[in-house]
Amino acid sequence: DGGITQSPKYLFRKEGQNVTLSCEQNLNHDAMYWYRQDPGQGLRLIYYSQIVNDFQKGDIAEGYSVSREKKESFPLTVTSAQKNPTAFYLCASSMGTGWSTVQYFGPGTRLTVT
Amino acid sequence: GQQLNQSPQSMFIQEGEDVSMNCTSSSIFNTWLWYKQEPGEGPVLLIALYKAGELTSNGRLTAQFGITRKDSFLNISASIPSDVGIYFCAGLIYGGATNKLIFGTGTLLAVQP
Repeated sequence: DGGITQSPKYLFRKEGQNVTLSCEQNLNHDAMYWYRQDPGQGLRLIYYSQIVNDFQKGDIAEGYSVSREKKESFPLTVTSAQKNPTAFYLCASSMGTGWSTVQYFGPGTRLTVT
Repeated sequence: GQQLNQSPQSMFIQEGEDVSMNCTSSSIFNTWLWYKQEPGEGPVLLIALYKAGELTSNGRLTAQFGITRKDSFLNISASIPSDVGIYFCAGLIYGGATNKLIFGTGTLLAVQP
């Protein structure tokens, strides 16, 4: 079955700790994205990558970091510098290296930082 | 920056009723997308629209890409309890200086059996 997997589903961390969220896809998609979702708001773009070893900041990149060492993997690290890290994090992917193709989403990871 | 105004914010309807929701913007989009999200899950693509004026159906769902390219609507006919969820519109801009997917704030749909 082709798809996007995110793990874990729920993640709890203490304030001041870095945490890495996993995103893997076996759709052979070139582009991958990370979004953050807060209650009552639309999705906001954190980072995106259109090819391996290259990535770009989105609208709210501060306090986050990513890597793209493999086509199928795009992990997101939430650092201690992120002021409000508690949120629902969604990974997406799309075919091709431009923005013209539809994005498909994973099931999400809910991060709670106390 | 670009914004999408999605309405209504929420709808509480009886099973069997038809539903209509829409998104408007001051910006022009190349593509309009409609997603459905259930609690604790990622958005699932329902319909993609690629041309101004395009009308596309997916079962009981029908969506249209507005002629001005600044709006889109989604209709659900004969609603059923499993239609419950949050419906998001998203506008895709590409090919120029700005490339991005912009999301509306969602319409919460509750269906009473």
